[in-house]
Amino acid sequence: EPEVTQTPSHQVTQMGQEVILRCVPISNHLYFYWYRQILGQKVEFLVSFYNNEISEKSEIFDDQFSVERPDGSNFTLKIRSTKLEDSAMYFCASSEDLSGNTIYFGEGSWLTVV
Amino acid sequence: SQQGEEDPQALSIQEGENATMNCSYKTSINNLQWYRQNSGRGLVHLILIRSNEREKHSGRLRVTLDTSKKSSSLLITASRAADTASYFCATATDKLIFGTGTRLQVFP
Repeated sequence: EPEVTQTPSHQVTQMGQEVILRCVPISNHLYFYWYRQILGQKVEFLVSFYNNEISEKSEIFDDQFSVERPDGSNFTLKIRSTKLEDSAMYFCASSEDLSGNTIYFGEGSWLTVV
Repeated sequence: SQQGEEDPQALSIQEGENATMNCSYKTSINNLQWYRQNSGRGLVHLILIRSNEREKHSGRLRVTLDTSKKSSSLLITASRAADTASYFCATATDKLIFGTGTRLQVFP
């Protein structure tokens, strides 16, 4: 079964450093998402992306965050200047369309900011 | 907010018993999806039920949806120790909004 893949699986970074989390969505999917889950908490929506632009973003997704689809396969989340509170599991997801179909998630990237 | 709220927050049962988890939400949805998450791992899609469906089955899973009450339930029958995980409902419009989850512990 096709799957969403994410790299790295775990990254430790110094506060203030930039981090790029990478995702390869399922190949025929058109909608892409980033979610995060702080340890022990619920999964929170960050941003959705379609047709090379952001469709929707949450209030968590402030100016330090950005997303990009640099080529036909990768979808990246950049955190410009990491803070301690950015430590979380970040999930990439993709779906064929907006409303009717399953959204498939990757295994996640653990980000630890020290 | 169409945040899903789930109950119970935690559930402990013996192998072979059935586990029922409930989810309530606040606004209209296109569909509702249930996910499973093993500790520290990714979200595994279990089942999707559309807003015009009332019940759906997949193996040992049974999901119901009552749009008038804005609630859904997930029933796992004949549970196994390997079913131990957190289970989340997620309501879908143009994105998924996750509930708070139920931590299920199945004892052998």
